[in-house]
Amino acid sequence: KNEVEQSPQNLTAQEGEFITINCSYSVGISALHWLQQHPGGGIVSLFMLSSGKKKHGRLIATINIQEKHSSLHITASHPRDSAVYICAVTPYGGSQGNLIFGKGTKLSVKP
Amino acid sequence: GAGVSQTPSNKVTEKGKYVELRCDPISGHTALYWYRQSLGQGPEFLIYFQGTGAADDSGLPNDRFFAVRPEGSVSTLKIQRTERGDSAVYLCASSLSGTSFRSGELFFGEGSRLTVL
Repeated sequence: KNEVEQSPQNLTAQEGEFITINCSYSVGISALHWLQQHPGGGIVSLFMLSSGKKKHGRLIATINIQEKHSSLHITASHPRDSAVYICAVTPYGGSQGNLIFGKGTKLSVKP
Repeated sequence: GAGVSQTPSNKVTEKGKYVELRCDPISGHTALYWYRQSLGQGPEFLIYFQGTGAADDSGLPNDRFFAVRPEGSVSTLKIQRTERGDSAVYLCASSLSGTSFRSGELFFGEGSRLTVL
């Protein structure tokens, strides 16, 4: 069993829909990252969370430390949101960059 | 430069050859990280530099892999006696600091795609 599990693996949505991507992890963590990877490989860091909720534009990330679960929400989705979204955690006591990554959720938003 | 720069963007080599991959981080970023991403998988951690020293090299798969950052800026990932299983995208990232939680945001390069024939 992977230490970081994401669901769904693949997601197709219509433009304008509200999207939720889930991440569950099995280790104690000091931080959780949500990353966006576009075709061609470039990765952008969206959020780094240790508790609560963060919002940036149409993106919202939440984390529940007790339940070892995080969600990434996209409101009013747009075709340009199509990408792979990756959840990654920093295990408690681990070095800052020693992340454990999920396999990613491939999102396709149709116009 | 404005972002993290990785060269080459693509490298095709033959089994058994030596390969070097270069990463030029954002100016002023003291922390630098190498990751490897195989097809269809999430990235996996290789090594983390704080300044010139390797703060955590626990992700290097074996002694064929080595990385240096002699002046605390540019880093080179070196792979000896390449194997077909080394084929992957090698990603580099940098951050302002490795120890400051508030500065833990990572900036990634576009990656170097290595293909070992």
